[in-house]
Amino acid sequence: NAGVTQTPKFRILKIGQSMTLQCTQDMNHNYMYWYRQDPGMGLKLIYYSVGAGITDKGEVPNGYNVSRSTTEDFPLRLELAAPSQTSVYFCASSYSRATIHEQYFGPGTRLTVT
Amino acid sequence: AQRVTQPEKLLSVFKGAPVELKCNYSYSGSPELFWYVQYSRQRLQLLLRHISRESIKGFTADLNKGETSFHLKKPFAQEEDSAMYYCALYAGGTSYGKLTFGQGTILTVHP
Repeated sequence: NAGVTQTPKFRILKIGQSMTLQCTQDMNHNYMYWYRQDPGMGLKLIYYSVGAGITDKGEVPNGYNVSRSTTEDFPLRLELAAPSQTSVYFCASSYSRATIHEQYFGPGTRLTVT
Repeated sequence: AQRVTQPEKLLSVFKGAPVELKCNYSYSGSPELFWYVQYSRQRLQLLLRHISRESIKGFTADLNKGETSFHLKKPFAQEEDSAMYYCALYAGGTSYGKLTFGQGTILTVHP
């Protein structure tokens, strides 16, 4: 199993551009999450999904959109990129029926908006 | 709402010294607690979960419900322990698997 994979690894955007961060998991997990990691701020939840077709906002959803058309994929869309969105983005997944609620993380996407 | 606090942003120790990374939580129910580790520019990976009561890479953590703490300890730190450490809490119920993370502690172990 590849686990959770993310593309791209790095990206530089200009202010106002848009892009999609890809996330795929092959563990048949129904729960998926997007976080951003900023220095000294820990991990902040952007959006999450409890299954295909079902998504909901996390702590910091402004400026982002998500969709979940399949169990495996959970892309994060940035519209009109702003410097405040410069961050490292992590996707994670977990299994709803697990007795231990561990999340599995992807390798991250390092995004710079200039 | 639940909250996780890691009071130290930075922690430095010398190789062979004991290390303790602090984690305090606020939650009215019975939480499930984790420690995640992130080595330089790598993904977060699970280090410990309180339910398993295990020792991984020499690290242990005990849930103290009276003090609402879940401190991570290692008696003899190694240079390869240098990393970012996150404490996380699962609140159960309708959390949909969501974890609440602390702000993280950067541990540096000097030779």
